Amino acid sequence: ILNVEQSPQSLHVQEGDSTNFTCSFPSSNFYALHWYRWETAKSPEALFVMTLNGDEKKKGRISATLNTKEGYSYLYIKGSQPEDSATYLCAAKGDSGYSTLTFGKGTMLLVSP
Amino acid sequence: EPEVTQTPSHQVTQMGQEVILRCVPISNHLYFYWYRQILGQKVEFLVSFYNNEISEKSEIFDDQFSVERPDGSNFTLKIRSTKLEDSAMYFCASTPGGREEKLFFGSGTQLSVL
Repeated sequence: ILNVEQSPQSLHVQEGDSTNFTCSFPSSNFYALHWYRWETAKSPEALFVMTLNGDEKKKGRISATLNTKEGYSYLYIKGSQPEDSATYLCAAKGDSGYSTLTFGKGTMLLVSP
Repeated sequence: EPEVTQTPSHQVTQMGQEVILRCVPISNHLYFYWYRQILGQKVEFLVSFYNNEISEKSEIFDDQFSVERPDGSNFTLKIRSTKLEDSAMYFCASTPGGREEKLFFGSGTQLSVL
């Protein structure tokens, strides 16, 4: 089981602010990194799946980068909106035949109007 | 858009009772999972299921837990004799297949054991 850590635990920003969170994971035995957005009373929804060192992915105002050599990923939100308020989960999968996703605790983002 | 559905959304039970949590994965998906999150803790993997059998399970998934796909659509998690520490949000998820694929989650069942 991998040890996946996320920071900060929670974040409160104003509408229009840009923000970023960190996910760290063991750099050895890495296979894939997932980011999910989990809004209250809804299903966690996949944002990105990344596998290659240096990967950068973008979906609207949200983007993510991956550094597998040092074991971290950043999630960026540009110009935060109230509807971005959610818990952002990252999860890592190791490189073995039947490795499962190991989740971090999440970063809870609140965007105030 | 197809989605994973879970019932019930909330389940309250007495310690020692059996509960069955139900899930209907997306119809063309082949891999099914159960995860749970105890309040304030990380989302934890319980079990994965493929081709009508368990493909992987965690230490949490002991003899009190079982999974079943009784027909072509439902995927159930049974807890035989619930304990207080089983109180958590239980998520079902599915994927079409492939190790790099994202999980499609249901909205969860909040289980409260009294």
